[in-house]
Amino acid sequence: DGGITQSPKYLFRKEGQNVTLSCEQNLNHDAMYWYRQDPGQGLRLIYYSQIVNDFQKGDIAEGYSVSREKKESFPLTVTSAQKNPTAFYLCASSIEGFSGNTIYFGEGSWLTVV
Amino acid sequence: QKEVEQDPGPLSVPEGAIVSLNCTYSNSAFQYFMWYRQYSRKGPELLMYTYSSGNKEDGRFTAQVDKSSKYISLFIRDSQPSDSATYLCAMCIKNNDMRFGAGTRLTVKP
Repeated sequence: DGGITQSPKYLFRKEGQNVTLSCEQNLNHDAMYWYRQDPGQGLRLIYYSQIVNDFQKGDIAEGYSVSREKKESFPLTVTSAQKNPTAFYLCASSIEGFSGNTIYFGEGSWLTVV
Repeated sequence: QKEVEQDPGPLSVPEGAIVSLNCTYSNSAFQYFMWYRQYSRKGPELLMYTYSSGNKEDGRFTAQVDKSSKYISLFIRDSQPSDSATYLCAMCIKNNDMRFGAGTRLTVKP
């Protein structure tokens, strides 16, 4: 089935550690995104990529890094520089950049700092 | 002031009720308006999509956009317990970042 696969679903991180969240899509979409969702707040954009080997910072990129070496993959690394990383992370993709009617989300990854 | 304002609720209604969910926004350049439904611990799924002003109906769901008032609404008729979820409004200018509301948590009681 076509879709977006995020892993792991739940992840615990010790302070000072880097962790990487995986996002894979088989929809043949050009654009991919990472959002962060906190209680009582809307989704906030961390990074996005409209083509392979190119990506742009979103509103809250500090403490995060990404790569886009393949069209279907857009992993997110949460570095130790991110001071408050506990959140629900959502990966999304679309045929083209920021077309609301074609953006699809993965099931999300829960990251907790312990 | 946030670009998109949405009452987080929670909102609780009896089964069969008409539900009205709303968002206001400040950026008059927004062109595309979306409603997403998000079940607990799941990713959002697109429910309704509207371009510019007007109404759009899909089964029990109706989306309305009033650009003059910078106000969008989602109506759910004959609400069901399976409609219990968080509803997120979102909007964007084509090829620019989407802006999301905080989400309204809805519970439909049998």
